[in-house]
Amino acid sequence: AQSVTQLGSHVSVSEGALVLLRCNYSSSVPPYLFWYVQYPNQGLQLLLKYTTGATLVKGINGFEAEFKKSETSFHLTKPSAHMSDAAEYFCAVSDPSGGGADGLTFGKGTHLIIQP
Amino acid sequence: DGGITQSPKYLFRKEGQNVTLSCEQNLNHDAMYWYRQDPGQGLRLIYYSQIVNDFQKGDIAEGYSVSREKKESFPLTVTSAQKNPTAFYLCASSISARGYTEAFFGQGTRLTVV
Repeated sequence: AQSVTQLGSHVSVSEGALVLLRCNYSSSVPPYLFWYVQYPNQGLQLLLKYTTGATLVKGINGFEAEFKKSETSFHLTKPSAHMSDAAEYFCAVSDPSGGGADGLTFGKGTHLIIQP
Repeated sequence: DGGITQSPKYLFRKEGQNVTLSCEQNLNHDAMYWYRQDPGQGLRLIYYSQIVNDFQKGDIAEGYSVSREKKESFPLTVTSAQKNPTAFYLCASSISARGYTEAFFGQGTRLTVV
């Protein structure tokens, strides 16, 4: 069974500062990994994904994430926070071997707060 | 444009009533999902369907029912047996439920019991 842990239910950073949202996973096989963003009263939007190949993945809105197999991590970063980045962020994992017929496994989310 | 449409965006239910939330997709995806979202609890899976005329219970199926008579439609009924239905409900779809399963989400329906 897979699981996802997002460290910190709330993260607060100043505008212009580095954003770092942490995600660790547990999986018996190398997984596919995803980050989603959710703005208030909206659905989830895909930010970026890792499947195979280059471990540093770039996404929309200046975000990127690095897959580190040895650390079972997929942390999300952005060099300079903007007020519009304030939202809920979800890390998710999928088993590419075909297991997990119920789709993605999601973390509980991290609420990103941007201080002016 | 392809996507997932949920309706209505806001829904109010009286105690003891059944209500149905609509979810339609034109992405030609086989798999569809319903999630419930409460503050601080992330997404919890209610039901999922891998193919037409088939669906499976998720982690919190009690008090809910679904149907999958058409590939593009996966309506969710919140029954009177659901004791605490006030929540944000999200519908999603993916090409397949297995393997590489990037999910696409609708805009959600906020259900409130009055």
